[in-house]
Amino acid sequence: GAVVSQHPSWVICKSGTSVKIECRSLDFQATTMFWYRQFPKQSLMLMATSNEGSKATYEQGVEKDKFLINHASLTLSTLTVTSAHPEDSSFYICSARTGRHGYTFGSGTRLTVV
Amino acid sequence: QQQVKQSPQSLIVQKGGISIINCAYENTAFDYFPWYQQFPGKGPALLIAIRPDVSEKKEGRFTISFNKSAKQFSLHIMDSQPGDSATYFCAARPVRDDKIIFGKGTRLHILP
Repeated sequence: GAVVSQHPSWVICKSGTSVKIECRSLDFQATTMFWYRQFPKQSLMLMATSNEGSKATYEQGVEKDKFLINHASLTLSTLTVTSAHPEDSSFYICSARTGRHGYTFGSGTRLTVV
Repeated sequence: QQQVKQSPQSLIVQKGGISIINCAYENTAFDYFPWYQQFPGKGPALLIAIRPDVSEKKEGRFTISFNKSAKQFSLHIMDSQPGDSATYFCAARPVRDDKIIFGKGTRLHILP
């Protein structure tokens, strides 16, 4: 089945630094990728939708200059958290469309900003 | 705003029992209703999904019941096992849209 590989699985960074999270589709081409954020014991909140070769569409309230999304190829999408602060600490998850009714999720990245 | 409301927030079921999680939506323009299972520290995984032209779908111990007129759908887990202990999310996809809207989740605990 379709697999989305997400790395790193966890990362700790200092406040003010930037962190990049990668999601790769291993055996299919992901034309559309979704990025979610999940706080403890809460649901997944969609941050942005990216289509290969075009700019990402951000949800209301998500700072596009802080959460940079790049989807330069059909198999790789990246989320860069710039100038991270402790309130950015969260669980970040990517998801890719695998067909009309298919969505495959990455395993998530636990970001801790200290 | 389109919403998917999920209940209960948490659920404790004895091993072998039936776990039932309910969801309701407020917009008729959805065309896909998936259920996801998430273990701690992992991404969600698709459990089972249904489209609005079907009233029930069963896959193994998991069944979705869908009531289009009431705008409600539910997940039934038969013969619940401790390994089913996880957080379950119902979701819906608006027509002519790619994004999935998630319910708030149900933390299910199966007692051994």
